[in-house]
Amino acid sequence: KAGVTQTPRYLIKTRGQQVTLSCSPISGHRSVSWYQQTPGQGLQFLFEYFSETQRNKGNFPGRFSGRQFSNSRSEMNVSTLELGDSALYLCASSTDRLVSEQFFGPGTRLTVL
Amino acid sequence: AQSVTQPDIHITVSEGASLELRCNYSYGATPYLFWYVQSPGQGLQLLLKYFSGDTLVQGIKGFEAEFKRSQSSFNLRKPSVHWSDAAEYFCAVHNAGGTSYGKLTFGQGTILTVHP
Repeated sequence: KAGVTQTPRYLIKTRGQQVTLSCSPISGHRSVSWYQQTPGQGLQFLFEYFSETQRNKGNFPGRFSGRQFSNSRSEMNVSTLELGDSALYLCASSTDRLVSEQFFGPGTRLTVL
Repeated sequence: AQSVTQPDIHITVSEGASLELRCNYSYGATPYLFWYVQSPGQGLQLLLKYFSGDTLVQGIKGFEAEFKRSQSSFNLRKPSVHWSDAAEYFCAVHNAGGTSYGKLTFGQGTILTVHP
């Protein structure tokens, strides 16, 4: 089975721009979670989608948004980029059981200049 | 709110030596616990998980972890470390109750350096 894929792997943007990141989960997985990883704050939960519905959201400003498509692929969008948004963005997929292990993609490294 | 503490930011061991990485969690009910490993510039790879049952769980790459409810700990161990084990290790907890769908809470990570 193919693993979780994320595109693009690297992005460079300037302040004020917006960006869209994509995540394709493992086949059969319908839950997709997104995390932001920075040296200062560590790994922080952004949001989770299941069957095209956002079920959970972390403590991030409204500039961070996401969606999920009927094939379980997910995108996250960050608008009005700030320098502090520079981070590794990781997505993870899991089955639809209430609790199951999450499988992570390689991440998208976003640099905001 | 649940939290995870990894007291050791950086650990250095010699190749062939044993390893123990500490993890303490704060959570009222029975937690669902995980250990992940991350190599530089890569995503997270699941090493092992604890949901219930036997408190000593085996994982990949020769790792094991022991859940101790009385100490709120889930320490990761390996009897003999290989140079390829050098990476950053994260302990995580999942609260299955309420509206915590899909949310893992991670510790700050422990960087493991292996000397030849």
